[in-house]
Amino acid sequence: RKEVEQDPGPFNVPEGATVAFNCTYSNSASQSFFWYRQDCRKEPKLLMSVYSSGNEDGRFTAQLNRASQYISLLIRDSKLSDSATYLCVVNWGNAGNMLTFGGGTRLMVKP
Amino acid sequence: DAGVIQSPRHEVTEMGQEVTLRCKPISGHNSLFWYRQTMMRGLELLIYFNNNVPIDDSGMPEDRFSAKMPNASFSTLKIQPSEPRDSAVYFCASSPTGSIYNEQFFGPGTRLTVL
Repeated sequence: RKEVEQDPGPFNVPEGATVAFNCTYSNSASQSFFWYRQDCRKEPKLLMSVYSSGNEDGRFTAQLNRASQYISLLIRDSKLSDSATYLCVVNWGNAGNMLTFGGGTRLMVKP
Repeated sequence: DAGVIQSPRHEVTEMGQEVTLRCKPISGHNSLFWYRQTMMRGLELLIYFNNNVPIDDSGMPEDRFSAKMPNASFSTLKIQPSEPRDSAVYFCASSPTGSIYNEQFFGPGTRLTVL
């Protein structure tokens, strides 16, 4: 079983749609959580951190459910520029800032 | 501000050759990471340095791989001898401190092809 699991997709959605991704993690002692975005043939970049109380950044909302060990990302009013791979990322908390990345979920927003 | 700098951006080599990848982290960052990304295995952490000291190298595939960080502004990842299965994109990332809440900033990557 992978430590951080995501549906690889692709999710094909029309512009303006709302789309949600989930991610599950195996280590119940995990300390911090993130969503990174990776464009085709580019490096990953931080999209947002995920807090226990849930957090929102514009059209993006992240939620954490520690009891069920899953993280979600909701994108509202999808734009063409949202097309990318979204990586779920977890820090186990055992050694500084070491991160474990999920395999990513690919999103394609169509006109 | 300059981000993480990696060189070369592309490397094509033949099996058995030595390959050296280079990384300059963001100035002032204390943590440095080397990752490898393939379609099959995704993004894997190879090694993690904090204040130039290797903290965890459990992700280094085998003895053919070695990494050094002689000072705070430079790190290398060496593969000797290289094999076709080493073909991947290698990313270097840096972070301000070892805090579990800090963002990691990635370089543009080195795309390695071993023939």
